[in-house]
Amino acid sequence: GQQLNQSPQSMFIQEGEDVSMNCTSSSIFNTWLWYKQDPGEGPVLLIALYKAGELTSNGRLTAQFGITRKDSFLNISASIPSDVGIYFCAGRIGNQFYFGTGTSLTVIP
Amino acid sequence: EPEVTQTPSHQVTQMGQEVILRCVPISNHLYFYWYRQILGQKVEFLVSFYNNEISEKSEIFDDQFSVERPDGSNFTLKIRSTKLEDSAMYFCASQYSYNEQFFGPGTRLTVL
Repeated sequence: GQQLNQSPQSMFIQEGEDVSMNCTSSSIFNTWLWYKQDPGEGPVLLIALYKAGELTSNGRLTAQFGITRKDSFLNISASIPSDVGIYFCAGRIGNQFYFGTGTSLTVIP
Repeated sequence: EPEVTQTPSHQVTQMGQEVILRCVPISNHLYFYWYRQILGQKVEFLVSFYNNEISEKSEIFDDQFSVERPDGSNFTLKIRSTKLEDSAMYFCASQYSYNEQFFGPGTRLTVL
């Protein structure tokens, strides 16, 4: 299957700090998605990106679809304790979705 | 707000037994998916289903797996003869069109 590499693997930050994480692949995707997963629950969609270069915001979250269509980043501004969780990127080819390896975020109050 | 539901939340089974995991997608959605997530690892695509047939499947989805939409509301994943390595969270997801998927809460499958 397609390999999506996320970095960093984990982050420990102070409340109020900004966060940046990214996802890269050797494959080209038609759609990039960012999900958050809390323990014991299913992933919840945060942002969906549909074309190269697209920059989309959802509250404190901003994500971009890379120009090459092989990467994407997610920024979280002014982090709060409830931002804690695992963030996954996902890329779509046809009707298959490939998930990244995840970034675990810990916010220290 | 409509949501995807899954039952059971936790299934324990003996190796070699058959299991059926059930999902009720959001009612007007057209595309349905199963994923699995081994503890601590990433979410892995298993299969997508549209218009009453499999549209795509991964290499994980071998002959031991099958999916069905037996009526207008349920979407099931059957594992015919479970193996220890089938232990994982299994997520169902549904989608209306070429946009976002909505995931269910998952079924934790434990194979002993």
